Amino acid sequence: AQRVTQPEKLLSVFKGAPVELKCNYSYSGSPELFWYVQYSRQRLQLLLRHISRESIKGFTADLNKGETSFHLKKPFAQEEDSAMYYCASRHTDKLIFGTGTRLQVFP
Amino acid sequence: NAGVTQTPKFQVLKTGQSMTLQCAQDMNHNSMYWYRQDPGMGLRLIYYSASEGTTDKGEVPNGYNVSRLNKREFSLRLESAAPSQTSVYFCASSGTALAGGQETQYFGPGTRLLVL
Repeated sequence: AQRVTQPEKLLSVFKGAPVELKCNYSYSGSPELFWYVQYSRQRLQLLLRHISRESIKGFTADLNKGETSFHLKKPFAQEEDSAMYYCASRHTDKLIFGTGTRLQVFP
Repeated sequence: NAGVTQTPKFQVLKTGQSMTLQCAQDMNHNSMYWYRQDPGMGLRLIYYSASEGTTDKGEVPNGYNVSRLNKREFSLRLESAAPSQTSVYFCASSGTALAGGQETQYFGPGTRLLVL
């Protein structure tokens, strides 16, 4: 079965520090991967997808097929980045979500 | 456009009571979904509907039923609520925002349900 693993429940950093939120997937084909973000008391929203190879709010994520990873990175964290982050993989017409990582950015 | 809307925002039930969570989207999307969000478990798919008139089980369908009333609306029903169903429930719809754009899943604001 297709799975998405986020090994860290909580990641705490200070403002200005680099951030890497880990995501590993298990899928034998060509995966379609996403990062979703949920700010406090708000709905989930798409942050970025690997197909677009874009940078959103300073975040980037590179698909590494050899390591089956799609880690989310930002060189300098900001306090407003504090949120819950979910990695997801598309399987047919469904999304499979990881368990999420809470990012706390301290001033 | 309102996007994906859900009602109610909060609900408290006693064990054994029934209720229906409502979801509607105004983006003309074919696919709609119901998830539950629990601490340490992420989002788990309860049911989904790939198109009007079709529904399929997700990862955790037991204790729930759904109805795709029309293209806009997708409701989730708890026939006999149990404390294990205390959770935050999210509805989502999936489609392309722009013609020829990439498919994206859009979420509602969530319903917080407490079953005593």
